[in-house]
Amino acid sequence: GAVVSQHPSRVICKSGTSVKIECRSLDFQATTMFWYRQFPKQSLMLMATSNEGSKATYEQGVEKDKFLINHASLTLSTLTVTSAHPEDSSFYICSAVLGTHTDTQYFGPGTRLTVL
Amino acid sequence: AQSVTQPDIHITVSEGASLELRCNYSYGATPYLFWYVQSPGQGLQLLLKYFSGDTLVQGIKGFEAEFKRSQSSFNLRKPSVHWSDAAEYFCAVVTNFGNEKLTFGTGTRLTIIP
Repeated sequence: GAVVSQHPSRVICKSGTSVKIECRSLDFQATTMFWYRQFPKQSLMLMATSNEGSKATYEQGVEKDKFLINHASLTLSTLTVTSAHPEDSSFYICSAVLGTHTDTQYFGPGTRLTVL
Repeated sequence: AQSVTQPDIHITVSEGASLELRCNYSYGATPYLFWYVQSPGQGLQLLLKYFSGDTLVQGIKGFEAEFKRSQSSFNLRKPSVHWSDAAEYFCAVVTNFGNEKLTFGTGTRLTIIP
């Protein structure tokens, strides 16, 4: 149980285009999901907290207009990287909090974004 | 600000040998503490967690960790590693118990040699 999927697993796009990444909790409902960014050989940096039915909360330094987050249902959150540039190339990882067990996050496998 | 330090970037261990991965945190109170493992193509998997109580925590895959308040540490151990344990290991903390935000350490890459 507690499986989180991400789609796509890998995407390559041209500079200036927008890319949408989906995060789904497959067998549970998640009121809260988190989006992280991981640079090569570095740790995960929290980008934003996604709450179902409300606006996402962004961490300091993260551009909310560039990284659009939508948490339309209890099983789906999307991250859209708008007008992507090469510096946005990274590994994006989502996590979902299992129901009322807010102390445990379950992570998706990640999405590798490469912007040419 | 709270922080998590994993002093070892890369550790190489022989298969069957014991393992200890270090983690130190900087926070005024006792945070919630976690160890995650990241394998290529897979999401981070929770190995174990500590909230309170017994300071020696047992996790999955034969891992354990010990919380030492006096040293602000939460080191991960395994008595005998297997080749399948090769992965990236992250220590993480939650200090703001209202929003469950995880702060991760920089990770330790574990290589297993035959």
